[in-house]
Amino acid sequence: GAVVSQHPSRVICKSGTSVKIECRSLDFQATTMFWYRQFPKKSLMLMATSNEGSKATYEQGVEKDKFLINHASLTLSTLTVTSAHPEDSSFYICSAPPQGYNEQFFGPGTRLTVL
Amino acid sequence: LAKTTQPISMDSYEGQEVNITCSHNNIATNDYITWYQQFPSQGPRFIIQGYKTKVTNEVASLFIPADRKSSTLSLPRVSLSDTAVYYCLVGETGRRALTFGSGTRLQVQP
Repeated sequence: GAVVSQHPSRVICKSGTSVKIECRSLDFQATTMFWYRQFPKKSLMLMATSNEGSKATYEQGVEKDKFLINHASLTLSTLTVTSAHPEDSSFYICSAPPQGYNEQFFGPGTRLTVL
Repeated sequence: LAKTTQPISMDSYEGQEVNITCSHNNIATNDYITWYQQFPSQGPRFIIQGYKTKVTNEVASLFIPADRKSSTLSLPRVSLSDTAVYYCLVGETGRRALTFGSGTRLQVQP
């Protein structure tokens, strides 16, 4: 199956700093990637749809100026959490649908802890 | 995506067969039924997908009745490593964003 990677796997930062999370499709090209957030014991919540070469589409309630998404190539999407605060601490997961598949492949997730 | 309802949690013992049922009364004609598995601190992993009747792979079976308003994921002879959250999703999955429900937390005991 297709492989999606994320980097870093976990990050701890101070309040007010910015954190960048990378999502890569390793063996396929992805014109679209999705970013989800998951709080402890909760389900995944879609944050935004990342589109290669165009602006991301954000879900209602997700601040686009706080969660910057850049999909600069067909294999890389980045999520930058700007001016992070403790309430942004969460598990961030990306996914991508390879051509020819009717399911999505998820990255391993990034655990963000903001102190 | 069609709304789904599944049990919040289930308990089982090693070696038993586990059946998790998902209700999706508003499923549309073009919708598929897809199940994902998620271990703690990991991204979800695709298990199985079907449209109607029965689908089987090396991991599980998926039973879908004729009216397609529900589906049952069957895990044969579970082991401790099957302890995870199982999500049922309905829709034209693949190229679109997924809407996850609450999932079913399966706990397998020795």
